[in-house]
Amino acid sequence: DTGVSQDPRHKITKRGQNVTFRCDPISEHNRLYWYRQTLGQGPEFLTYFQNEAQLEKSRLLSDRFSAERPKGSFSTLEIQRTEQGDSAMYLCASSSGGPFSSDTQYFGPGTRLTVL
Amino acid sequence: AQSVTQPDIHITVSEGASLELRCNYSYGATPYLFWYVQSPGQGLQLLLKYFSGDTLVQGIKGFEAEFKRSQSSFNLRKPSVHWSDAAEYFCAVGSNTGGFKTIFGAGTRLFVKA
Repeated sequence: DTGVSQDPRHKITKRGQNVTFRCDPISEHNRLYWYRQTLGQGPEFLTYFQNEAQLEKSRLLSDRFSAERPKGSFSTLEIQRTEQGDSAMYLCASSSGGPFSSDTQYFGPGTRLTVL
Repeated sequence: AQSVTQPDIHITVSEGASLELRCNYSYGATPYLFWYVQSPGQGLQLLLKYFSGDTLVQGIKGFEAEFKRSQSSFNLRKPSVHWSDAAEYFCAVGSNTGGFKTIFGAGTRLFVKA
């Protein structure tokens, strides 16, 4: 069990460019979550997968954002036409599933995005 | 709508002193409540969680929290703080209605002075 990993750890891009982040959950975890955390705030829920199915999306996830989990393992989060307001830490978490009452999310170290 | 309020943006305590971090939530039903810790450069780590039963919950690293329904609170406590406890602490409320979602508070940064 190597934990949740995210790649890259840091990304600097120019406004208008597309970026893609990857999250590798703990193996055999069937739930995967994406969050966004801006400076001085707690993480904000973006979206959640159960296996390969994207079951919920926050209204924060505009049409410039898309997330996939094609084989129910790793996930990607793409941001198209980045804006300066997209600058944030993007966190991924995974959990083993089962009743939510006994489910624990394990977080990755995050990808820090800076849009110039 | 669910929400979490952490009234203290930052708190400073002396090493060895007791600690209490406040958390108030808004939720229509019995909530799932969590405390996470985030150290610089580290991912969020779960300290403890409450779903039902005993309202005093024990967690890792010597932390505990008490659920008080009448006050809509879930305060985190530690009897004796260590310098390594300096970090950002997040209270969160979760629900499984319409999907699994966790709502986090804005966090309280803990400073520990020698």
